[in-house]
Amino acid sequence: IVMTQSPATLSVSPGERATLSCRASQSVSSNLAWYQQKPGQAPRLVIYAASTRATGLPDRFSGSGSGTEFTLTISSLQSEDFAVYYCQQYNVWPGTFGQGTKVEIK
Amino acid sequence: QLQLQESGPGLVKPSETLSLTCAVSGGSISRSSNYWAWIRQTPGTGLEWIGSIYFSGNTHYNPSLKSRVTVSVDTSKNQFSLTLTSATAADTAVYYCARVLRQLIFDYWGRGSLVTVSS
Repeated sequence: IVMTQSPATLSVSPGERATLSCRASQSVSSNLAWYQQKPGQAPRLVIYAASTRATGLPDRFSGSGSGTEFTLTISSLQSEDFAVYYCQQYNVWPGTFGQGTKVEIK
Repeated sequence: QLQLQESGPGLVKPSETLSLTCAVSGGSISRSSNYWAWIRQTPGTGLEWIGSIYFSGNTHYNPSLKSRVTVSVDTSKNQFSLTLTSATAADTAVYYCARVLRQLIFDYWGRGSLVTVSS
């Protein structure tokens, strides 16, 4: 399954909303996760099961979607949220990741 | 707090075997109901799951790498390991170990270990 993320880069001002998209080449049900990665760091789980926030994540992060279309929304961007975000489907073995969306400061 | 730490050579010669170990602290592999995984990241192919292991030794591998990969566990040392045979330049990557929350969801990650395959 091919995961396609858009846009490749998203320029957003602090305090604004960011909306990231992820499309699967076939249905993955709700078996979709989002990860955040900052330079030089490992990815960090943000959302799983399409809409469940990982432990410790603030509620400004939300996920939605099912089937082939998914969205990660960050309601009010904070400085620590600027990073690359990856979606990953785990519905079909061996799981596949998207190529990432970089959220940068506008 | 669960922590994972990768260790191993940063440089491997082509055709040789790449070996890494992941030490787990803040939790016991043998008392955990979780699988433990290896994932790698390259600029070209992005993030790729390599394989996972349970404390009992049960394993799952990515079919694209299965012929060259072995993941093993040492519960006495609370660590698990990766070996990748017949390494090529395409295996140059940052290798991460991680805990599997369920299915192929990774909730705790090590900091990563850069392995370069070059003569």
